[in-house]
Amino acid sequence: NAGVTQTPKFQVLKTGQSMTLQCAQDMNHNSMYWYRQDPGMGLRLIYYSASEGTTDKGEVPNGYNVSRLNKREFSLRLESAAPSQTSVYFCASSPWWADRATGELFFGEGSRLTVL
Amino acid sequence: DQQVKQNSPSLSVQEGRISILNCDYTNSMFDYFLWYKKYPAEGPTFLISISSIKDKNEDGRFTVFLNKSAKHLSLHIVPSQPGDSAVYFCAASENNAGNMLTFGGGTRLMVKP
Repeated sequence: NAGVTQTPKFQVLKTGQSMTLQCAQDMNHNSMYWYRQDPGMGLRLIYYSASEGTTDKGEVPNGYNVSRLNKREFSLRLESAAPSQTSVYFCASSPWWADRATGELFFGEGSRLTVL
Repeated sequence: DQQVKQNSPSLSVQEGRISILNCDYTNSMFDYFLWYKKYPAEGPTFLISISSIKDKNEDGRFTVFLNKSAKHLSLHIVPSQPGDSAVYFCAASENNAGNMLTFGGGTRLMVKP
């Protein structure tokens, strides 16, 4: 059971380049999320998709776009990468957006992005 | 300003002793709290949670305590094991905000054999 799969695991970009981080989950979850992790800052929510067909901004959405391609897949795009976007990115999913009692997030292994 | 804070970046404990990880929050609308554990090169994994209607929740060696008046929660691990060495994140969510979690900065726990 793969759970949440992210690709690529590592990427180095030059300032101004674009790229897409891919995420897929095989748990039939309705909700998906993108977080970034920076030292001392914990994980901060970039965008989320409460259900297929919807996306919403999180705490730090500037410089990113997302696409909920279908129920399984949720991609994160950097249109013009900046050094401030150097971070580790985590995709996560949960069964239902509103179900907090059993709705803990399941995370992928992370994608380490460096922008030079 | 961070709404969830873990003021201790690291903690070192001897195997078999108690580990106590602390977390403070400022947003009085938070009413559901979770702890996640993260090993290097892996994603965080859910450990234990507590609703604001409770002040304690226990799961095996792990117990979370919530003090709403002080806006403080703590995770107790008894007895600590070397395999518990990881980064622990405290997280919180508001009612009507679904599973939109706000995370603390994390505490690195090292359990020495």
